[in-house]
Amino acid sequence: AQSVTQLGSHVSVSEGALVLLRCNYSSSVPPYLFWYVQYPNQGLQLLLKYTTGATLVKGINGFEAEFKKSETSFHLTKPSAHMSDAAEYFCAVAPDSWGKLQFGAGTQVVVTP
Amino acid sequence: DAGVIQSPRHEVTEMGQEVTLRCKPISGHDYLFWYRQTMMRGLELLIYFNNNVPIDDSGMPEDRFSAKMPNASFSTLKIQPSEPRDSAVYFCASSWSSGGAGNEQFFGPGTRLTVL
Repeated sequence: AQSVTQLGSHVSVSEGALVLLRCNYSSSVPPYLFWYVQYPNQGLQLLLKYTTGATLVKGINGFEAEFKKSETSFHLTKPSAHMSDAAEYFCAVAPDSWGKLQFGAGTQVVVTP
Repeated sequence: DAGVIQSPRHEVTEMGQEVTLRCKPISGHDYLFWYRQTMMRGLELLIYFNNNVPIDDSGMPEDRFSAKMPNASFSTLKIQPSEPRDSAVYFCASSWSSGGAGNEQFFGPGTRLTVL
């Protein structure tokens, strides 16, 4: 069975500062990993995903994540936060290409001027 | 494509009433998922379909919940009778298996259900 742990339910960052959201997973098979973002009163939107190949994955809006198998981690970063990045971010894992996703609890990001 | 469409966007009902939530997936997608999101429990997968057939309903909380997918372009989630603890945002998502490894799920805007 797979599971996802997101460290920190709330993160506050200053505009222009680094955004770092932590995600650790457990999976009995090589996983597919995802980061989704949810803006207020909206559905989830895919930011980026790791399937195979390059472990550094680039997504939309300047976000990227690195898959580290040895650490079972898939942390999300953005070098410079923008006010529009205020949202909730979800890490998710799937055991295969069509399997159901297991979501983490989410991290709420607040960006301060 | 218009994306995943859900209706209604908001539903307020009284305890004991029947509630029906509707979803139209993206055309061509063969997987459909129903999720529930609450502050206490986060995002939970309730049930998912492949080619209109329910594959895993282990997340459906109890017999009061039922879901159907009569055709590739329509699905319903029904709660009968509804209870205040069913208050949540319900999301529908769809994806396609032929999209390659690591299928992206496309989410609808959700239905905010309030049971009084």
